[in-house]
Amino acid sequence: AQSVTQLGSHVSVSEGALVLLRCNYSSSVPPYLFWYVQYPNQGLQLLLKYTSAATLVKGINGFEAEFKKSETSFHLTKPSAHMSDAAEYFCAVSVSTGANSKLTFGKGITLSVRP
Amino acid sequence: GAGVSQSPRYKVAKRGQDVALRCDPISGHVSLFWYQQALGQGPEFLTYFQNEAQLDKSGLPSDRFFAERPEGSVSTLKIQRTQQEDSAVYLCASSLVEGHNNEQFFGPGTRLTVL
Repeated sequence: AQSVTQLGSHVSVSEGALVLLRCNYSSSVPPYLFWYVQYPNQGLQLLLKYTSAATLVKGINGFEAEFKKSETSFHLTKPSAHMSDAAEYFCAVSVSTGANSKLTFGKGITLSVRP
Repeated sequence: GAGVSQSPRYKVAKRGQDVALRCDPISGHVSLFWYQQALGQGPEFLTYFQNEAQLDKSGLPSDRFFAERPEGSVSTLKIQRTQQEDSAVYLCASSLVEGHNNEQFFGPGTRLTVL
């Protein structure tokens, strides 16, 4: 079975500072990895996904993530935080067994951005 | 509509009542997923449909939970004899076709509170 670990529940950065949200996964087969963002009272929105084509993945809103197999990690970064980035971020994994591409999510990290 | 819609957005039920939660996926999307998101947690998989066929219901927590998608479009998640531990946000997601490379589009969720 696959799993995702997101250490810490809350990250606070200043506007303009680097954003780093950590995600480690566990999977016995090659995983597909995703980052989703959730704004209050809204559904989850896909930021980016890793599907084995390239280890450095660029997403929307200036976010990117790097797949590191040796570290079983898929950390999310953004060079310069904006106030509008304040939201909850979820890392998720899907494995290619069977026809069901269900997602297994981490617990999520709340990002706060200070002016 | 342009996205996945869910109704009602909020539902308050007395313990023991039955509830029905509706999901309208994006038109033409083959795959439909239900997830349960408890407070402070990431979404957890409940069940999966490919068109009208329920291919995976391994995440349903008890036989009080039942889902259907009779015509391969709209889906309903029904919870019988609700309990307090059923309080959560129920998310619906759809994707155009089956496959791990395909983005799941999420609805805004239904927040169920069982008193």
